[in-house]
Amino acid sequence: AQSVSQHNHHVILSEAASLELGCNYSYGGTVNLFWYVQYPGQHLQLLLKYFSGDPLVKGIKGFEAEFIKSKFSFNLRKPSVQWSDTAEYFCAVNAPGTASKLTFGTGTRLQVTL
Amino acid sequence: DAMVIQNPRYQVTQFGKPVTLSCSQTLNHNVMYWYQQKSSQAPKLLFHYYDKDFNNEADTPDNFQSRRPNTSFCFLDIRSPGLGDAAMYLCATSRDRGQGRDTQYFGPGTRLTVL
Repeated sequence: AQSVSQHNHHVILSEAASLELGCNYSYGGTVNLFWYVQYPGQHLQLLLKYFSGDPLVKGIKGFEAEFIKSKFSFNLRKPSVQWSDTAEYFCAVNAPGTASKLTFGTGTRLQVTL
Repeated sequence: DAMVIQNPRYQVTQFGKPVTLSCSQTLNHNVMYWYQQKSSQAPKLLFHYYDKDFNNEADTPDNFQSRRPNTSFCFLDIRSPGLGDAAMYLCATSRDRGQGRDTQYFGPGTRLTVL
């Protein structure tokens, strides 16, 4: 079945550590890729998105993601996390022929300690 | 400056008692979505409206219905809630369907409890 996988369910990092969250999808063809973030007590909001062009895309708050077509991956990275990055991170894919439907991964809960 | 508003934030209903969840938006977006998110699971699209055009996902149970009386409002009706329908319900909007590239803007969600 077509799916989006986030293998890290819960990640704990110290401030200033580097972050990489994995996302893999199983759709063929051209896809649109998104990372959404949900800070504690807040709604889901867009972090970054990728459609085409440079496979390294930059988002808000110093986050970036790299699309590797051959690996069906869209991993999220940040060189140095802050306590305020504590949140849940969702990868989402819009697959070909599905209008604007987003298929989400199960999310990764990031906890940043001081 | 709330953009996507969901009411109520918490809803408790009894098994089998119809319930309606509300979503409103100030963005004047064409598309409105309803997602269901169960504990520790991914948000799952139930259906969406593109303007007045209703688009149901193939695996959405018939127990779930939706209404969009105008651009700003969209309702989720659960006709006979079961225990398995307890979840967070998320409303989202996007300006257009935009070949799937438009950002979706989410509300805070309504947490439904079924007793």
